[in-house]
Amino acid sequence: QSALTQPPSASGSPGQSVTISCTGTSSDVANYNSVSWYQQHPGKVPKLLIYEVTKRPSGVPDRFSGSKSGNTASLTVSGLQAEDEADYYCSSYAGSNIVLFGGGTKLTVL
Amino acid sequence: VQLVQSGAEVKKSGESLKISCKASGYSVTSYWIGWVRQMPGKGLEWMGIIFPGDSDTRYSPSFQGQVTFSADKAISTAYLQWSSLEASDTAMYYCARRLVGATNVYNAFDIWGQGTMVTVSS
Repeated sequence: QSALTQPPSASGSPGQSVTISCTGTSSDVANYNSVSWYQQHPGKVPKLLIYEVTKRPSGVPDRFSGSKSGNTASLTVSGLQAEDEADYYCSSYAGSNIVLFGGGTKLTVL
Repeated sequence: VQLVQSGAEVKKSGESLKISCKASGYSVTSYWIGWVRQMPGKGLEWMGIIFPGDSDTRYSPSFQGQVTFSADKAISTAYLQWSSLEASDTAMYYCARRLVGATNVYNAFDIWGQGTMVTVSS
């Protein structure tokens, strides 16, 4: 299995919305509603933002939302704030108790 | 609820190593614990998971045979070990708890350890 494909970078101005894509295959993203998204600030521990494509753990702002269409999942960050500048990683179940991560996207708030 | 990992390690190629991840604040026998590698300046890699309740394990094909997961439920601790380190094992290693809902177990990690930095010199 190969890593999921994410754009290396994304950017937006404060208050805007930005969407980060995560492309997999028919064996992972398309086949299971088991996509998660993590946020990682430099030098910090990853934090779970989204699981099961659209669900948010308690405490995660509703500015963060997830969706999926076919083999591509997306994370949308609305009302961008300076603190949203971080690396974002998607992951997907790929069968046989295996999970794949994406390569990560560096989000810059302009 | 937290996972506390052992401290940073500096080793030489060929040496063995075992790092730990101690759980507290919840029943370790009810949750899978996973291991995630992050090489310097790189992304996250899913290594696999272990269920401390019965030490059932699942390895990513990329890590199968390269590392070993183990657990001691009596002391709520999971372990990641290498029998012979290589310079390419230099990375931050995170343990993380698999998310459990009211009726489902999800393929996501909700609680993360602080990470253990492993540096291997050749």
